[in-house]
Amino acid sequence: ETGVTQTPRHLVMGMTNKKSLKCEQHLGHNAMYWYKQSAKKPLELMFVYNFKEQTENNSVPSRFSPECPNSSHLFLHLHTLQPEDSALYLCASSQVEEQETQYFGPGTRLLVL
Amino acid sequence: SQQGEEDPQALSIQEGENATMNCSYKTSINNLQWYRQNSGRGLVHLILIRSNEREKHSGRLRVTLDTSKKSSSLLITASRAADTASYFCALEDAGNMLTFGGGTRLMVKP
Repeated sequence: ETGVTQTPRHLVMGMTNKKSLKCEQHLGHNAMYWYKQSAKKPLELMFVYNFKEQTENNSVPSRFSPECPNSSHLFLHLHTLQPEDSALYLCASSQVEEQETQYFGPGTRLLVL
Repeated sequence: SQQGEEDPQALSIQEGENATMNCSYKTSINNLQWYRQNSGRGLVHLILIRSNEREKHSGRLRVTLDTSKKSSSLLITASRAADTASYFCALEDAGNMLTFGGGTRLMVKP
């Protein structure tokens, strides 16, 4: 248990569906991250939020829409996804000033049919 | 941002043996971190080594960093079946962003 929770843990959706992934951190951190992990590819950073402000968007398609309402919660809204978007989506948090460790949630395994 | 390259991509050893994984990179870093991931789960931080450090220990883990060769190694001594997992190096650059390598899949056979 790292103090970062993600729901749902598994999600199957059609290409026309809209769904949201949720991440919550109980560590008092001020930065949160979304990563995508596909089979046989390195972990890809998608979005970064520092103090609730988005500071990174690594050329992620607009069908992925992040939302950070406060420093403890992070959402990833999904709509009109493609089968190649099937992956493990990992959320992480850290304390920016400490230049240190990121704490990861268990991930949401997403399958797009 | 740069990505670390891990070597080997896969490693299979017997319980009790040592496991060594390597990570190479191209440009300067603030620090280098090693993470572990059990199948389909989140990553867990193992150890961080700063650019001005050469070696660090944590339990059965030993990490070295050679900034002149731009490489790091992770040694797991007296391996156990429970050490079976994927191990990733992550590079932190001057912008405090982490970039992960492709990982080494370690299998420890009982």
